[in-house]
Amino acid sequence: GAVVSQHPSWVICKSGTSVKIECRSLDFQATTMFWYRQFPKQSLMLMATSNEGSKATYEQGVEKDKFLINHASLTLSTLTVTSAHPEDSSFYICSARRDRGRMQYFGPGTRLTVT
Amino acid sequence: DAKTTQPPSMDCAEGRAANLPCNHSTISGNEYVYWYRQIHSQGPQYIIHGLKNNETNEMASLIITEDRKSSTLILPHATLRDTAVYYCIVRGKNFGNEKLTFGTGTRLTIIP
Repeated sequence: GAVVSQHPSWVICKSGTSVKIECRSLDFQATTMFWYRQFPKQSLMLMATSNEGSKATYEQGVEKDKFLINHASLTLSTLTVTSAHPEDSSFYICSARRDRGRMQYFGPGTRLTVT
Repeated sequence: DAKTTQPPSMDCAEGRAANLPCNHSTISGNEYVYWYRQIHSQGPQYIIHGLKNNETNEMASLIITEDRKSSTLILPHATLRDTAVYYCIVRGKNFGNEKLTFGTGTRLTIIP
């Protein structure tokens, strides 16, 4: 149990376009979901925390108007990178936490390349 | 959350035990030690966690010193598939603060 999926697994988009990444908890309800970004040879950096039905909390330095997060249901959160630029190219990873659980379960990641 | 210090890289021969150290000298009494690993181009995978007692599961053992200022993750019989970056993370038990803060981790390479 506790499987988290992401879609797509990789995406290439042109500069200036927007791209949406989905994160789903397949066999449990996730009250809280987290979005991370990872640049090559670097560690994961938390971007934002989202709770179902409420606005996401963004980490310092993360532009909330550029990285739109929606957590509309207990099994789905989406990250939309708006007006993407080459510097947004990265590995985006989501994780999900059960209601009042301590464990976070991670998705397989989405590799975004902006040309 | 308390910060952790890990060696940047380690090698281990296949079939031998891999011992990965982690220092967390500022850990407080209600903080757990978590270990995750990340195989190249995949999401992190949970390994084990503990508070003050040693823990063992099907993947690894976690040894926490009595003063809780350091811990060691032990992979008893390392295989090539254990090559990954291993992250030691300290986090409070407060359900209101569930952020996992990843450091730089230890890049473990299993050598045939």
